[in-house]
Amino acid sequence: EAGVAQSPRYKIIEKRQSVAFWCNPISGHATLYWYQQILGQGPKLLIQFQNNGVVDDSQLPKDRFSAERLKGVDSTLKIQPAKLEDSAVYLCASSLDTAGITDTQYFGPGTRLTVL
Amino acid sequence: AQSVTQLGSHVSVSEGALVLLRCNYSSSVPPYLFWYVQYPNQGLQLLLKYTSAATLVKGINGFEAEFKKSETSFHLTKPSAHMSDAAEYFCAVIGANDYKLSFGAGTTVTVRA
Repeated sequence: EAGVAQSPRYKIIEKRQSVAFWCNPISGHATLYWYQQILGQGPKLLIQFQNNGVVDDSQLPKDRFSAERLKGVDSTLKIQPAKLEDSAVYLCASSLDTAGITDTQYFGPGTRLTVL
Repeated sequence: AQSVTQLGSHVSVSEGALVLLRCNYSSSVPPYLFWYVQYPNQGLQLLLKYTSAATLVKGINGFEAEFKKSETSFHLTKPSAHMSDAAEYFCAVIGANDYKLSFGAGTTVTVRA
């Protein structure tokens, strides 16, 4: 079974530029998550989708971050404009959604963003 | 909001020695607790989870964790460390009223030959 795919794996941009990350979850997984992992910290949830609807985006900085999952499969996360403090690894995860909140989340390898 | 505290950001053990990683949580009852491992340049992988069944939970790669309500702890152990256990380990919690998975800051494990 293929895992969660993410691209690109690495991205370096200047501050005030825009950037987009892509995630393809495990086939059949209804729920998709985006996390931000700053160096030295645990991942922090940015947004959660169930199919193509947003379940939780309370910690997404909506003035600069946006995310979509138009067809309920893959998803993109965009930052515009980027700030220095956005430097982090952006992790995508998915879950099958049969056991509710205790469903195992499967993580992709992440995209490491460096903002200069 | 639920939270976890991982005691010790770095742990160094000898190969073959006990691995003990500490995690304390603050949560309303019942919490759901998880341990994830992250190898360099990889995503997180679930080691084990506690979902209010048996208090001693066995996971992959020989790891286990015990839920102790009286101590609000969910420490991770492995009797004998292997070089391949070198990684970063995260404890995480989902509370009964907060459906978000909240992670601790992580503990990096190094294994000495």
